[in-house]
Amino acid sequence: KNEVEQSPQNLTAQEGEFITINCSYSVGISALHWLQQHPGGGIVSLFMLSSGKKKHGRLIATINIQEKHSSLHITASHPRDSAVYICAVGHMRFGAGTRLTVKP
Amino acid sequence: DAGVIQSPRHEVTEMGQEVTLRCKPISGHNSLFWYRQTMMRGLELLIYFNNNVPIDDSGMPEDRFSAKMPNASFSTLKIQPSEPRDSAVYFCASRSRGVTDTQYFGPGTRLTVL
Repeated sequence: KNEVEQSPQNLTAQEGEFITINCSYSVGISALHWLQQHPGGGIVSLFMLSSGKKKHGRLIATINIQEKHSSLHITASHPRDSAVYICAVGHMRFGAGTRLTVKP
Repeated sequence: DAGVIQSPRHEVTEMGQEVTLRCKPISGHNSLFWYRQTMMRGLELLIYFNNNVPIDDSGMPEDRFSAKMPNASFSTLKIQPSEPRDSAVYFCASRSRGVTDTQYFGPGTRLTVL
């Protein structure tokens, strides 16, 4: 069993829809990261979470340390949000990624 | 700041050749990471340095791989001899302080070993 599990693996949405990507982990952590990998391959760190909730624009990330679970939400999704979203914990164990496609 | 700089961006080589990938972290960052990404295995941590000292190299696949950080502004990842299964995108990332800080990724080096 992977230490970091993401779901779903693939997600297709219509523009404007609310998106949720989930991450569960089995190891103790001090921080969890959400990364975005663009179609061109570049990787950007979206959030680092150690507790609670963070918001940046249309993106919201939450973490429940007791449940060992985090979610990434995208409100009012847009085609430019199409990317692979990767959850990572510790130094750094990665989920397999969620490929999001937002159709206009 | 120019961000994390990696070179070359693309490398094509033949099996058995030595390959050296280079990374310049963001100035002032004291942690540096090397990652490998493949379709089969996704992103994997190879090694990370803190204050130029290797802290965890458990992800380095085998003795053919070596990494150095001779100073705070430069690191290399060397593969000798290279094999086709080493074909992947290799990312370097740097971070300013502790594990709770943001990592900044370089653009990656796409390595193809024929």
